[in-house]
Amino acid sequence: NAGVMQNPRHLVRRRGQEARLRCSPMKGHSHVYWYRQLPEEGLKFMVYLQKENIIDESGMPKERFSAEFPKEGPSILRIQQVVRGDSAAYFCASSPREAGTGELFFGEGSRLTVL
Amino acid sequence: GQQLNQSPQSMFIQEGEDVSMNCTSSSIFNTWLWYKQDPGEGPVLLIALYKAGELTSNGRLTAQFGITRKDSFLNISASIPSDVGIYFCAGVPRGGSEKLVFGKGMKLTVNP
Repeated sequence: NAGVMQNPRHLVRRRGQEARLRCSPMKGHSHVYWYRQLPEEGLKFMVYLQKENIIDESGMPKERFSAEFPKEGPSILRIQQVVRGDSAAYFCASSPREAGTGELFFGEGSRLTVL
Repeated sequence: GQQLNQSPQSMFIQEGEDVSMNCTSSSIFNTWLWYKQDPGEGPVLLIALYKAGELTSNGRLTAQFGITRKDSFLNISASIPSDVGIYFCAGVPRGGSEKLVFGKGMKLTVNP
């Protein structure tokens, strides 16, 4: 049973470009979460999605960031017009149900570097 | 916002030694969890605690959910080199939420 799959593992972008990060949840999981980790920090919640719905995006910056989880295909975290401060590791997690239990399965992360 | 204060920030120990780390908060959490992150990887769940006062073991790991619901500790006994990594506490806030709150992590180094 494959785990949470994220790609790309590493992404380098110049300021002003767009970054797209993809996440395929574990088989049978319908809840997807995105977290951001800055160097030497813990993970910070960004957004919680179910298929075709954004449930909670209270951790997402108001501008330039968007997320989707379409009926078919992976969840996408999109960052437009990237700035140096967007450099971080972005982790996707999935669960078979709402994470009220906190039992999330994390992917290996996508590390974004903005030059 | 809710914060978890994790300590110590790092530890250097010899193989075979025990290690303890803890996490505190000014807010009540319904669930406490401990995750481990290896370099270049995502966090992996080690232990989950659901009841105040609960003491749970998973192999050489033992964790407790504080009676006030504002703290938790994790013990690792008889450490081995593969215990190296960053250990994060995380909590589910009161009221139930998908927004896990993470501590800043404790970096463990085990010298063989």
